[in-house]
Amino acid sequence: DTAVSQTPKYLVTQMGNDKSIKCEQNLGHDTMYWYKQDSKKFLKIMFSYNNKELIINETVPNRFSPKSPDKAHLNLHINSLELGDSAVYFCASSLTWGDNSPLHFGNGTRLTVT
Amino acid sequence: AQTVTQSQPEMSVQEAETVTLSCTYDTSESDYYLFWYKQPPSRQMILVIRQEAYKQQNATENRFSVNFQKAAKSFSLKISDSQLGDAAMYFCAYSQGAQKLVFGQGTRLTINP
Repeated sequence: DTAVSQTPKYLVTQMGNDKSIKCEQNLGHDTMYWYKQDSKKFLKIMFSYNNKELIINETVPNRFSPKSPDKAHLNLHINSLELGDSAVYFCASSLTWGDNSPLHFGNGTRLTVT
Repeated sequence: AQTVTQSQPEMSVQEAETVTLSCTYDTSESDYYLFWYKQPPSRQMILVIRQEAYKQQNATENRFSVNFQKAAKSFSLKISDSQLGDAAMYFCAYSQGAQKLVFGQGTRLTINP
């Protein structure tokens, strides 16, 4: 009964490839997020969706394209992967937009680009 | 833009003792939320404690408590009776309105048996 689940847990791929990370939450939350944690452990928001609508897009290269087919799912597709994309990507959800409720995080996907 | 600073990259404490992790932030807002998240080696981000800025009372969750000094823009985390399972990276975070969590750089806490 995992609350926020993301797959895969690990992803190793070569430069130039296209890959996707999937995220699902069963908490009934309206809002979902993607965060990136770099090699120095710094966490920064990339995107936020509320009820399938894009709310935040934090100057992320357009090689990154999030997609929310419904409010329980937020997938992240990355085109033309670069070495600098290597990081841990976290999906998260919260109750609803703007209520400052705590975020519930998935376990992260470690992406390694070689 | 809001910033969050954790000035202690690493801390260590003896098991059963008390440790305090520091966090300062910069904002011009008066109403906001502050959080401490824990990231153990398993990589999962776990909420430890949450403080609403308009509440003067410091938040407490079992062995975890905060010292919230709004005027000084300081939000430290105190862990009492430290346990081996408390070993983790600890992140201070700020949120206001737009619900965009801004994180500090993290403090790696080691518990010595």
